[in-house]
Amino acid sequence: SQTIHQWPATLVQPVGSPLSLECTVEGTSNPNLYWYRQAAGRGLQLLFYSVGIGQISSEVPQNLSASRPQDRQFILSSKKLLLSDSGFYLCAWSPLGNIQYFGAGTRLSVL
Amino acid sequence: KQEVTQIPAALSVPEGENLVLNCSFTDSAIYNLQWFRQDPGKGLTSLLLIQSSQREQTSGRLNASLDKSSGRSTLYIAASQPGDSATYLCAVRVYGNKLVFGAGTILRVKS
Repeated sequence: SQTIHQWPATLVQPVGSPLSLECTVEGTSNPNLYWYRQAAGRGLQLLFYSVGIGQISSEVPQNLSASRPQDRQFILSSKKLLLSDSGFYLCAWSPLGNIQYFGAGTRLSVL
Repeated sequence: KQEVTQIPAALSVPEGENLVLNCSFTDSAIYNLQWFRQDPGKGLTSLLLIQSSQREQTSGRLNASLDKSSGRSTLYIAASQPGDSATYLCAVRVYGNKLVFGAGTILRVKS
């Protein structure tokens, strides 16, 4: 069966520090991969999605970037965190055109 | 641009009641609609997925309907239980295999 792993579960970082969140999927190949952010009391906002290795589409301009170095690995990064980057970050995967399955999320607090 | 709205934003009901959560979307050009459940501080769990050609889907005490032409979906929960307390999110899949989410309905079922 397929599983999705996200880490860390929580992270507290100072303003201006770098960020790296990792997401991996097991039990499938060539999945579509997604990064979402959920701000307090708001819906999920799609940040990035990827249909294959090295293929990244950005949905909104921001202080973040994403990379897909391997088929089942999706990384969310920042060179210098801002206060506004705080939020709940969720990774998801889907077979093409089907249900999206979500990871447990990472709670990021930028202080 | 697709926008998804969920009403009500919050709902509190006594145990045993039947209830309806509403979701509307502005652009009927969708591939499917998905209902999710999110427990506090957790990731999303998929509840039901309705393809654009379908009218409804059922799983246990949950029934979701879709009226694509009017841009509406409802999630019906029968005989609500305290364990149903969570945030319920609806999302529509649009071109590019992306999901657009509503802000969610926070449900509290009182025992």
